[in-house]
Amino acid sequence: DSGVTQTPKHLITATGQRVTLRCSPRSGDLSVYWYQQSLDQGLQFLIQYYNGEERAKGNILERFSAQQFPDLHSELNLSSLELGDSALYFCASRATGGRNNEQFFGPGTRLTVL
Amino acid sequence: SQKIEQNSEALNIQEGKTATLTCNYTNYSPAYLQWYRQDPGRGPVFLLLIRENEKEKRKERLKVTFDTTLKQSLFHITASQPADSATYLCALDPGSNYQLIWGAGTKLIIKP
Repeated sequence: DSGVTQTPKHLITATGQRVTLRCSPRSGDLSVYWYQQSLDQGLQFLIQYYNGEERAKGNILERFSAQQFPDLHSELNLSSLELGDSALYFCASRATGGRNNEQFFGPGTRLTVL
Repeated sequence: SQKIEQNSEALNIQEGKTATLTCNYTNYSPAYLQWYRQDPGRGPVFLLLIRENEKEKRKERLKVTFDTTLKQSLFHITASQPADSATYLCALDPGSNYQLIWGAGTKLIIKP
């Protein structure tokens, strides 16, 4: 158990809909990362937050947005969903104190868009 | 362009042998490189980190090397076991921000 929690585990929805994925980092971790992993593909970095502020942005579509709240949990919002958005979405947190600290990943949310 | 590459083909190794996985990168000068293990449908799990000034790092049956001249890291699993079967990802710090750049991973299959 990494200490990072994600809900829900599975999400099935239709094209055009909007969903929210939730992540709670490890206790004390200020950084949260969001990744997308499509079937048999590598991890695609989406966005990073640090203590409530956006720190880095990757290949995140304009239809996607995220935020980190004062209690450090984070939410990833996906709107106008398309079939191609079906993927595993992972959240990871990183220990504070060193940029080379490893990332701890949650169990992921499997999103299926029908 | 900047790239990080891992062998996309699955690596089949006989149990008990040493498995060696490769991570090559171009146009980066990473301060460190990390290796992770990912099982199907689960999040990656950190294994080892190696810094640019370290040639080799070991942890139990795992060994990582880092050659900044060749721009390559090798990941070795000695005395491999079927339980080592998984996808192994390398990730490097490009130095420009706090994100990691990830390879696509190599699937390792250890046959009994």
